[in-house]
Amino acid sequence: EAGVAQSPRYKIIEKRQSVAFWCNPISGHATLYWYQQILGQGPKLLIQFQNNGVVDDSQLPKDRFSAERLKGVDSTLKIQPAKLEDSAVYLCASSLTSGYNEQFFGPGTRLTVL
Amino acid sequence: ELKVEQNPLFLSMQEGKNYTIYCNYSTTSDRLYWYRQDPGKSLESLFVLLSNGAVKQEGRLMASLDTKARLSTLHITAAVHDLSATYFCAGTSGGGADGLTFGKGTHLIIQP
Repeated sequence: EAGVAQSPRYKIIEKRQSVAFWCNPISGHATLYWYQQILGQGPKLLIQFQNNGVVDDSQLPKDRFSAERLKGVDSTLKIQPAKLEDSAVYLCASSLTSGYNEQFFGPGTRLTVL
Repeated sequence: ELKVEQNPLFLSMQEGKNYTIYCNYSTTSDRLYWYRQDPGKSLESLFVLLSNGAVKQEGRLMASLDTKARLSTLHITAAVHDLSATYFCAGTSGGGADGLTFGKGTHLIIQP
């Protein structure tokens, strides 16, 4: 069974530029999460989708971050404009559905903002 | 708001020794997860603990959960170098919004 796919794996941009990350969850998984992991810290939840609806985006900085999952499968996370403090690894995870289900993580996208 | 604290944050130990990583959480958590992360890699699920008194074991690792004390432990028995990694515990407030709240992680180095 294929795991969670993410692209790109690495991205370097200058501050105030825009960037987008893509995630393809495990086939059949209804729930998709985006996490931000700053170096030396644990991941922090940014947004949770159930199919194509948002369940929790309370920690998403909505002035610059946006995310969508239009057809309930793939998802994109966008940052516009980027700040230096956005340098982090962005992890996508999926689970069969919300509730007592294990979350499987993708390899992540490492973003460096210069 | 759920808060998760791990200790120690750094641990250097010798092969063959036993040690325990502690994970305290601030409010009721539906369940408790342990993940492993190797440098530059993503997170690998180790254990999911669903109820008070739950104990799970895989090889040299054993995890337990005490919901009354709001404490989970990850015990390493007779450590080997391959277990060197960063270990995270995570909880969730439950319900439909079940995104994980992670601790800061325990960076474990096992020396030959």
